[in-house]
Amino acid sequence: QSALTQPPSVSGSPGQSVTISCTGSSSDVGGYKRVSWYQQPPGTAPKLMIYEVSSRPSGVPDRFSGSKSGNTASLTISGLQAEDEAHYYCSSYTSSNTIIFGGGTKLTVL
Amino acid sequence: QVQLQESGPGLVKPSETLSLSCSVSGYSINTGYYWGWIRQPPGKGLEWIASMYHSGTTYYNPSLKSRVTISVDTSENQLSLNLNSVTAADTAVYYCARLSRYCSRGSCDTYHYFMDVWGKGTTVSVSS
Repeated sequence: QSALTQPPSVSGSPGQSVTISCTGSSSDVGGYKRVSWYQQPPGTAPKLMIYEVSSRPSGVPDRFSGSKSGNTASLTISGLQAEDEAHYYCSSYTSSNTIIFGGGTKLTVL
Repeated sequence: QVQLQESGPGLVKPSETLSLSCSVSGYSINTGYYWGWIRQPPGKGLEWIASMYHSGTTYYNPSLKSRVTISVDTSENQLSLNLNSVTAADTAVYYCARLSRYCSRGSCDTYHYFMDVWGKGTTVSVSS
């Protein structure tokens, strides 16, 4: 199974908004709402930020939002803060009852 | 509060079997949820390895399925992973995680696919 496609890096200034895309196929991202996003600051374990395309776990700021159109899911972070600097990974359930991740996107807050 | 703690050998020789454990506290594995393993090679992205329900239902990454065995010990409240015939490509940080499913208005999805609780990870190097 091939990894989902994410841009290697994105950047933005404090207060701005950034969007990270995650492209798959009709067998994963496009076929289900079972898309999730994870934040991973350097040297730490991943943290769940979004599940079911757009749902936020308790404690995740509403600056983080998710959406999906066709085979591409997106994570938008508004009102960027320095603490948002991290790697972000998308993930999807697949038609083969497996789970795949994207290659990851490094977010730099300028 | 649910906590997961991985443990492992740190260093494994090529062609040998890697064995990892994950101790779960704050929740009984045989109550529900799926439990799984994810790894991350140095400087690279995340890779799902396998998931398991306490009743025995398992799912494996097709690229690793021939070498991997996942199991749970409900008496010890632990999750385990065995990966045989390891090579340098298996060098990674290995995470255990709890997998959840989406529920809304009293109805829940069938599939557990998102990792809502993670361990801190254990580093495994494969080298002679």
